[in-house]
Amino acid sequence: AQSVTQLGSHVSVSEGALVLLRCNYSSSVPPYLFWYVQYPNQGLQLLLKYTTGATLVKGINGFEAEFKKSETSFHLTKPSAHMSDAAEYFCAVSVGIRGNQFYFGTGTSLTVIP
Amino acid sequence: DAGVIQSPRHEVTEMGQEVTLRCKPISGHDYLFWYRQTMMRGLELLIYFNNNVPIDDSGMPEDRFSAKMPNASFSTLKIQPSEPRDSAVYFCASSVAGLSYNEQFFGPGTRLTVL
Repeated sequence: AQSVTQLGSHVSVSEGALVLLRCNYSSSVPPYLFWYVQYPNQGLQLLLKYTTGATLVKGINGFEAEFKKSETSFHLTKPSAHMSDAAEYFCAVSVGIRGNQFYFGTGTSLTVIP
Repeated sequence: DAGVIQSPRHEVTEMGQEVTLRCKPISGHDYLFWYRQTMMRGLELLIYFNNNVPIDDSGMPEDRFSAKMPNASFSTLKIQPSEPRDSAVYFCASSVAGLSYNEQFFGPGTRLTVL
């Protein structure tokens, strides 16, 4: 069975500090991995995705994530947090060609402290 | 592309009333998903369609909820009768099987308040 685990439902960082949001997955087949961001009172939008090739992928707003197969992880990082990064972040995995084989994590709420 | 369109953006109704939420997926997408988001339960998948056919409605909370997709460009989620605990943000998302690695595209959501 496929699943996505996001460690820490709430993360707080100081402005300018490193952001690290954790995501681990379980999959019997090579997965495609995604991070979505949801700003307050808005829908989910794609932040970045890993499909094939380079395991370090860059997204919008200075975020990046690294696919580590040996650790079954896809953690999201940003070197320096900005107040505007405060949002809910969802990790997701796609494990097949059928559209329903797409699974979301439970989300991590990021708070940035001035 | 206009993206996934949802209407209304906000809905306030009284307990017992019928509520209908609407969604227009991205043209060419063959999967459509309805989600509900609350503080307590997070993001929940309610039902999804493939080629206009409901495939899995196991997430629908109870018989008061129903969803239809009469054609490839329109879907509705209906709650009848509505209750205060139905208050939530309801999202519609669409995707294309196999392409874009099944990435789901979300609408802006409908914020439902049942008084």
